[in-house]
Amino acid sequence: AQSVTQPDIHITVSEGASLELRCNYSYGATPYLFWYVQSPGQGLQLLLKYFSGDTLVQGIKGFEAEFKRSQSSFNLRKPSVHWSDAAEYFCAVASPQAGTALIFGKGTTLSVSS
Amino acid sequence: DAGVIQSPRHEVTEMGQEVTLRCKPISGHNSLFWYRQTMMRGLELLIYFNNNVPIDDSGMPEDRFSAKMPNASFSTLKIQPSEPRDSAVYFCASSLAAGGAYGYTFGSGTRLTVV
Repeated sequence: AQSVTQPDIHITVSEGASLELRCNYSYGATPYLFWYVQSPGQGLQLLLKYFSGDTLVQGIKGFEAEFKRSQSSFNLRKPSVHWSDAAEYFCAVASPQAGTALIFGKGTTLSVSS
Repeated sequence: DAGVIQSPRHEVTEMGQEVTLRCKPISGHNSLFWYRQTMMRGLELLIYFNNNVPIDDSGMPEDRFSAKMPNASFSTLKIQPSEPRDSAVYFCASSLAAGGAYGYTFGSGTRLTVV
């Protein structure tokens, strides 16, 4: 069965510093991979997704993620964090076969200090 | 497009009462999903529909939970009777297809409190 692990429950980063949020998945082949962001009191918004091809994918709001098959990882990065990036971030996985829904990790809460 | 619309935004009810959560997906989306979010368990998939037909309901906690999608523009999630452990934020999402290839659009959620 598919599963997603986000090892960090909470991360604090200084404004302007770089960010990396970790995500590891368990799946027999290469799954579809996603990062979503949730602001307080809101639903989830898609940041970026990976299906195949170039292992470095660009998303909205200056975020990028790198797929590493050998490590079963899909880490999210941003070179310079803004205070408005404070939110909860979710990694998700789906099987490329039709008819399966996204499975989410438990999320990482990002705090940004000034 | 107004996006995925959920109602109510907040619901407080007493244990044992029936609760109905509502969702209007984006027009033209063929797949609809119900997720539950809690601090302990994160985001759990409860059930999803494809073309109004339930495809996977293995995440529905127990018989007290039921979901319907009578047409392409409306779905309900019902809890009867409700219990305090059902307190959570319930999200509805819709997509052109289930596997995520087209992305999911989430509603703002219904925060349910059972006292």
